[in-house]
Amino acid sequence: GQQVMQIPQYQHVQEGEDFTTYCNSSTTLSNIQWYKQRPGGHPVFLIQLVKSGEVKKQKRLTFQFGEAKKNSSLHITATQTTDVGTYFCAGKVSYNTDKLIFGTGTRLQVFP
Amino acid sequence: DAGVIQSPRHEVTEMGQEVTLRCKPISGHNSLFWYRQTMMRGLELLIYFNNNVPIDDSGMPEDRFSAKMPNASFSTLKIQPSEPRDSAVYFCASSRQGSTGELFFGEGSRLTVL
Repeated sequence: GQQVMQIPQYQHVQEGEDFTTYCNSSTTLSNIQWYKQRPGGHPVFLIQLVKSGEVKKQKRLTFQFGEAKKNSSLHITATQTTDVGTYFCAGKVSYNTDKLIFGTGTRLQVFP
Repeated sequence: DAGVIQSPRHEVTEMGQEVTLRCKPISGHNSLFWYRQTMMRGLELLIYFNNNVPIDDSGMPEDRFSAKMPNASFSTLKIQPSEPRDSAVYFCASSRQGSTGELFFGEGSRLTVL
């Protein structure tokens, strides 16, 4: 079946350092979404990427969708303690489905 | 908007007992999803509905699990009989077809089966 893997599984950074998580799908995706889950909370939508090679920014967060639409990345510049949580990518295999497969997640810890 | 509402928030039960988890999606959303989250397996899609109709239940673990959506504002996930390996956080999420497709998650139901 379709698999969506993320690396790294865990990342500990000092506040102010940058952070990147990578998402790789075994199949081509029609689009990819990113979610953030705070400890003890529920996933919250961050952004959606649809086009091959697309890059979007939200303040300190930069999201990329690979040219082959099989991988994606999230980069956080100058992390803050409020960035703590688990970041998930989630992809759809076709435009005709609402089925969203979540990646394995990357847990980010930020030390002040 | 009240968001997606799930109940109960926490449930502790004994092996063999029936468990029913409930979800009220956001009004106007016509897609509803049930996910299960564990440390070992991450976020797994169990089943999803469009316009109250089950579309894909390939993620439902086995016959002990069943889900219904009798109307647009209510869904249940039932486990009968429950087993310790069913212990997890169960999330319900909803979305509106034709939109960006972003999922709005409830706060989850944490199930512990002893």
